[in-house]
Amino acid sequence: GESVGLHLPTLSVQEGDNSIINCAYSNSASDYFIWYKQESGKGPQFIIDIRSNMDKRQGQRVTVLLNKTVKHLSLQIAATQPGDSAVYFCAGAGGTSYGKLTFGQGTILTVHP
Amino acid sequence: DAGVIQSPRHEVTEMGQEVTLRCKPISGHDYLFWYRQTMMRGLELLIYFNNNVPIDDSGMPEDRFSAKMPNASFSTLKIQPSEPRDSAVYFCASSFRVNQPQHFGDGTRLSIL
Repeated sequence: GESVGLHLPTLSVQEGDNSIINCAYSNSASDYFIWYKQESGKGPQFIIDIRSNMDKRQGQRVTVLLNKTVKHLSLQIAATQPGDSAVYFCAGAGGTSYGKLTFGQGTILTVHP
Repeated sequence: DAGVIQSPRHEVTEMGQEVTLRCKPISGHDYLFWYRQTMMRGLELLIYFNNNVPIDDSGMPEDRFSAKMPNASFSTLKIQPSEPRDSAVYFCASSFRVNQPQHFGDGTRLSIL
């Protein structure tokens, strides 16, 4: 079945730096991926998504890259701000798990002023 | 627009009691999802509905758990009888279509003593 995991559990950066959060997945049939941000005491908040027919998608200060060859995706945050401090989750769906998102463990991003 | 609304935000009850969690999805969303989040297991999908019909309940841990969606604007997740190991944060999410961004409520923090 779908398995989505993260390489790094924590990431600390200085304000203004760019942040890169990585995620690996195991199911080659996965065709939809999504990144969420979760702040303490709140539910996951949608950041950006990407489908398997794309390898890059940009939003406001965020970019998601998808490498289907090595089953890897990343979230890049430009000019990281203290308000970006949160837990970031990747999730994927597709194949036999159509409609069911499987979440990674999460990466804690801490931004120092 | 109002987001996904969950109630109660916090619930503390004794082992053996019945617990009912409530969710109001975003208007017009056809899909509704129930998740459980713990430190040990992360975010797990319990069940999801399409147009009020349960599609996949393979994540429901035991027969003590049940979920209903009597209409497009309301769903419940019930645990009877509750056990301490059910303590977790329970999230409800909704999406317009499958494999589109799911929007989460702020969850119910459940503690079973």
